[in-house]
Amino acid sequence: AQSVTQPDIHITVSEGASLELRCNYSYGATPYLFWYVQSPGQGLQLLLKYFSGDTLVQGIKGFEAEFKRSQSSFNLRKPSVHWSDAAEYFCAVGAVSGYALNFGKGTSLLVTP
Amino acid sequence: GAVVSQHPSWVICKSGTSVKIECRSLDFQATTMFWYRQFPKQSLMLMATSNEGSKATYEQGVEKDKFLINHASLTLSTLTVTSAHPEDSSFYICSARDDGEYNEQFFGPGTRLTVL
Repeated sequence: AQSVTQPDIHITVSEGASLELRCNYSYGATPYLFWYVQSPGQGLQLLLKYFSGDTLVQGIKGFEAEFKRSQSSFNLRKPSVHWSDAAEYFCAVGAVSGYALNFGKGTSLLVTP
Repeated sequence: GAVVSQHPSWVICKSGTSVKIECRSLDFQATTMFWYRQFPKQSLMLMATSNEGSKATYEQGVEKDKFLINHASLTLSTLTVTSAHPEDSSFYICSARDDGEYNEQFFGPGTRLTVL
């Protein structure tokens, strides 16, 4: 069965600092991996996704993520965080493109001045 | 880009009443839609998979008689919470899978249900 672990429930970074949000997955084959962002009371916005190919994936808003099969990880990074990046971030895994996703518990990002 | 809408965006109802939530794919066809539930400060949990023209598939632990799903067209799925109780208060999010080439999934903005 698929599972997703986001080890960090909360992360606080200073504006302008770099960011890395961790995501580990458990799945027998190569999974479809996603990162979503959710602002309070809002729906999900897709930041980026990995299906195959280049393991470093570029997304919107300056985010990137790297798929590391050996570590079963898909960590999200941003070189310089903006105050508007404060939100809840979810990593998700799917068995097949377009099928139901299994979400991690989320990481809440707080950005300080 | 592909857009999924939900209506209403929020609803408050009395205990014992039924509430219907609509999920529409606005610019693509979706044979399959998914309904998720999100409790405050928690992750999304899949409730059911909705298939156009057939019965929905419910996840373990989800009461199909309480959460009625109808997928009557290729652009509309509805979730009806029957005889709602305060414990049903939650954020309900749908997603729709594009039937086109890329078979991608797009999420709606969610519906906040509060049962008094």
